[in-house]
Amino acid sequence: ETGVTQTPRHLVMGMTNKKSLKCEQHLGHNAMYWYKQSAKKPLELMFVYSLEERVENNSVPSRFSPECPNSSHLFLHLHTLQPEDSALYLCASSQDLGNEYNSPLHFGNGTRLTVT
Amino acid sequence: GQNIDQPTEMTATEGAIVQINCTYQTSGFNGLFWYQQHAGEAPTFLSYNVLDGLEEKGRFSSFLSRSKGYSYLLLKELQMKDSASYLCADMDSNYQLIWGAGTKLIIKP
Repeated sequence: ETGVTQTPRHLVMGMTNKKSLKCEQHLGHNAMYWYKQSAKKPLELMFVYSLEERVENNSVPSRFSPECPNSSHLFLHLHTLQPEDSALYLCASSQDLGNEYNSPLHFGNGTRLTVT
Repeated sequence: GQNIDQPTEMTATEGAIVQINCTYQTSGFNGLFWYQQHAGEAPTFLSYNVLDGLEEKGRFSSFLSRSKGYSYLLLKELQMKDSASYLCADMDSNYQLIWGAGTKLIIKP
């Protein structure tokens, strides 16, 4: 149990589908993140939310749309994805932003996404 | 620029010691992190260094030299369960984490 739960664990979708990834954290943290992890590449930060406000959007294509309805839940809505979007999508949380000495990232197990 | 370099893969023997190196070139510096990631699982926090020197935590130690832009993770008394990827990340002046691609460590009996 990591304290950060992601569903589904695996997802296969066609390029015309719409799907959503869900993340829930049970740690009482104020910041949540979406990362993309591709094989043999560094983690890519996609979105950051602090107290339910988006504070970072690293030039992510609009086919990825985040939603943070409250400080415990984070969604990533997907539509018209491309095969190169196939990757492991990791959700993470931390106590606060900009203070990671006292608050390292806690990751979920990720959603393995395959776009066909 | 911002760049993190670490070896792609290393192999070591059960019971031995292994050192995984990481070099960074970041504008501004707010600390160096190591995370462990087993295949198919979440990365988990191992260590954080912001001052020069060695921090020891049981079988794992992490070292930092800010003047050289260099860190290493030292794993002693290796166990089969230590087979995993080890991710190095440094925090820049904007408190953003810059990640390396990870080092896959293979432990052989």
